[in-house]
Amino acid sequence: GAVVSQHPSRVICKSGTSVKIECRSLDFQATTMFWYRQFPKQSLMLMATSNEGSKATYEQGVEKDKFLINHASLTLSTLTVTSAHPEDSSFYICSARRTGLTEAFFGQGTRLTVV
Amino acid sequence: DAKTTQPPSMDCAEGRAANLPCNHSTISGNEYVYWYRQIHSQGPQYIIHGLKNNETNEMASLIITEDRKSSTLILPHATLRDTAVYYCIVGNQAGTALIFGKGTTLSVSS
Repeated sequence: GAVVSQHPSRVICKSGTSVKIECRSLDFQATTMFWYRQFPKQSLMLMATSNEGSKATYEQGVEKDKFLINHASLTLSTLTVTSAHPEDSSFYICSARRTGLTEAFFGQGTRLTVV
Repeated sequence: DAKTTQPPSMDCAEGRAANLPCNHSTISGNEYVYWYRQIHSQGPQYIIHGLKNNETNEMASLIITEDRKSSTLILPHATLRDTAVYYCIVGNQAGTALIFGKGTTLSVSS
């Protein structure tokens, strides 16, 4: 099946700093990628839809100025958590759907810890 | 909001079949039923999907009722490594995100 890769898998940062998470589709082009957040013992919550060459679409309640999304190519989307705070500590997961296939594929996730 | 209802937890003995139910009574005609699972601290793993017909692959079988209002995921011979949260999701083929519900935590024991 198609492969979606995230980097890094784990990151610890100091409060007030910014962290960038990369999501790559390794063997297919993805015009659209999706970013989710998952808190402990909860389900995945959609944060935003990342569109190649255009602005991302954010879900209600997600601060676009805090969670910057860039989808500069057909194989790469990045999520930057700006001015991170401890409450931003979470498991961030990206997803992409390959054109012509109905299923979506997910990255392995990034565990962000803000101290 | 998620369009599916699943039991919060299920237990299964190793080697036995695990049958995970899902209700999706408001499913639209062009919406698929997807099943994913998530093992602790990993991204969701695709299992299977279907529209109307029953489907089978190397991982599992998907049985969809004729009215499409419910489905069952079958793991024919559960192993300890099948312990995970299983998500039943309804969505269309277009480039839209999959919306996750709470899923079913399957515990396989020896």
